[in-house]
Amino acid sequence: DTGVSQNPRHKITKRGQNVTFRCDPISEHNRLYWYRQTLGQGPEFLTYFQNEAQLEKSRLLSDRFSAERPKGSFSTLEIQRTEQGDSAMYLCASSLWTGYNEQFFGPGTRLTVL
Amino acid sequence: SQQGEEDPQALSIQEGENATMNCSYKTSINNLQWYRQNSGRGLVHLILIRSNEREKHSGRLRVTLDTSKKSSSLLITASRAADTASYFCATPAGGTSYGKLTFGQGTILTVHP
Repeated sequence: DTGVSQNPRHKITKRGQNVTFRCDPISEHNRLYWYRQTLGQGPEFLTYFQNEAQLEKSRLLSDRFSAERPKGSFSTLEIQRTEQGDSAMYLCASSLWTGYNEQFFGPGTRLTVL
Repeated sequence: SQQGEEDPQALSIQEGENATMNCSYKTSINNLQWYRQNSGRGLVHLILIRSNEREKHSGRLRVTLDTSKKSSSLLITASRAADTASYFCATPAGGTSYGKLTFGQGTILTVHP
């Protein structure tokens, strides 16, 4: 399968714990995006990378959130000191920058903070 | 804030009927994309329409774009139970393909067999 993959698919954690999610984009894609989606809402942008450079971060992304894409391939999103309000679906997408930016999404990681 | 707004919020139809969903947006764009999301899953890219296109087809999907009205519609013809999903329109933030997409709240489509 050459689509976007995300791991884990589900994560249950206790408040205050740290969690890390991984995203593997489509191999030839140079852009990688993280979005967050809560129930009944559309995805909201968190951050994106072009190759290994993080080009933009949303104001939604507090200092407890950090994302990396160390070699311009896979990316990790870490949430430190999780809060119940962090419970959501975390979606990763990738694209090949062609001017129209068609994005392809992974299956998501559903985070539940108890 | 979300740029795209879908209408209706929910749509319930019988198998075989057509389903039409609308999307309005606020700023000028150079493309608009439609996605489908089955319950609890990731988003599936359906179609991208460029600002210089008025209509685009893909299988049973027909998308229109009216840049003067800042609106788009997605028509699914001869719907099937498997089309049951949420449908989102997405526009590039800042109007051009700058990077991030902004999504509406989506239309929940239920197709009854």
